[in-house]
Amino acid sequence: AQSVAQPEDQVNVAEGNPLTVKCTYSVSGNPYLFWYVQYPNRGLQFLLKYITGDNLVKGSYGFEAEFNKSQTSFHLKKPSALVSDSALYFCAVRGTGFQKLVFGTGTRLLVSP
Amino acid sequence: DTAVSQTPKYLVTQMGNDKSIKCEQNLGHDTMYWYKQDSKKFLKIMFSYNNKELIINETVPNRFSPKSPDKAHLNLHINSLELGDSAVYFCASSGGTSGNTIYFGEGSWLTVV
Repeated sequence: AQSVAQPEDQVNVAEGNPLTVKCTYSVSGNPYLFWYVQYPNRGLQFLLKYITGDNLVKGSYGFEAEFNKSQTSFHLKKPSALVSDSALYFCAVRGTGFQKLVFGTGTRLLVSP
Repeated sequence: DTAVSQTPKYLVTQMGNDKSIKCEQNLGHDTMYWYKQDSKKFLKIMFSYNNKELIINETVPNRFSPKSPDKAHLNLHINSLELGDSAVYFCASSGGTSGNTIYFGEGSWLTVV
């Protein structure tokens, strides 16, 4: 069965600094990897995904993620954090076919002015 | 141009009542889901329908019954509500041109008192 680990409950970063939110996964076969963001009292918004191809994936709001097959990781990054990036970030993985999308436990990102 | 819409957004009800949450998507997707987010923000899939057929049914009490009258709708009916059912329920959909990406509604906040 597939699983996702987000080892940090919270990441703190100063505005303008680069940020990284970590994610590792386990899945049989080729992974489909996703990042979502959740603002308070809102639904999940899709940020980016890796299905195949280039290991560096670019997404919404200047976020990107790097797929590393040997380390089974898919860390979310942004070169320069904004206060408005403060939110809850979820990594998710699924296998091929009608497999369910499994979410990590979420990482709260706090960007200070 | 709402993509995945669910109603009601907030629902407060007493233990033992029966309630329904409705979901509609106008994305032309053929797969729909219900996810539950608990108080610790953990997200877990409950059900998935593809073209009105149930394809994923996680270990959910049979008090929860999904119904998909057509591809664009997936409703969730809950009988005999319990305190532990208090959570945020997210409807989602995927398919069509979005491929593997799952798009979420804004959530329905259910509080059982």
